[in-house]
Amino acid sequence: DAGVTQSPTHLIKTRGQQVTLRCSPKSGHDTVSWYQQALGQGPQFIFQYYEEEERQRGNFPDRFSGHQFPNYSSELNVNALLLGDSALYLCASSLLRTTSNEQFFGPGTRLTVL
Amino acid sequence: AQKVTQAQTEISVVEKEDVTLDCVYETRDTTYYLFWYKQPPSGELVFLIRRNSFDEQNEISGRYSWNFQKSTSSFNFTITASQVVDSAVYFCALSEAGSGYSTLTFGKGTMLLVSP
Repeated sequence: DAGVTQSPTHLIKTRGQQVTLRCSPKSGHDTVSWYQQALGQGPQFIFQYYEEEERQRGNFPDRFSGHQFPNYSSELNVNALLLGDSALYLCASSLLRTTSNEQFFGPGTRLTVL
Repeated sequence: AQKVTQAQTEISVVEKEDVTLDCVYETRDTTYYLFWYKQPPSGELVFLIRRNSFDEQNEISGRYSWNFQKSTSSFNFTITASQVVDSAVYFCALSEAGSGYSTLTFGKGTMLLVSP
């Protein structure tokens, strides 16, 4: 049973560019959440997708957008990259109707913006 | 608003010592879950435990134990007889019923270094 997978593992971009990160949820899960983890900090919630709609959003600018596909996989897009966007981006999947909505995390994509 | 505080930034111990990682949380919800995750250098967050706000029983799993006290809004984590493999960053997190348990609010983490 495959867990949460993310691609790519590492990415280097320059300021102003755009980036797309990808996530495949754990088998049987229908909900995908994205988190940003800056160096030395805890993960911060970006947004959550369920049934191809953004269900909840954290305190992130509109430069951060996402998408969920019918197979439940998801993309995170960041436009007009800033140096401060350098971070580990974590994807988590869950099954919405479970009591605690426990989230399972992928290995992350490390984004470096130069 | 919800908040999780891990006051210890870094802890260094020698193998076989016991170590306790502190976690204090704030929430207006009466129903919530608390979590501990381990993050090794590889980066992946590894789930350790989930606790329901209605269940204040302490829990022990092998060398790990958790002390949940609603009166002090704390959910502390103890590793007994620490090992080098326990070296990692540990995060405490909170999920509230008010958000449909959609989001996890994390503390800043405690880096644990266990030396031989």
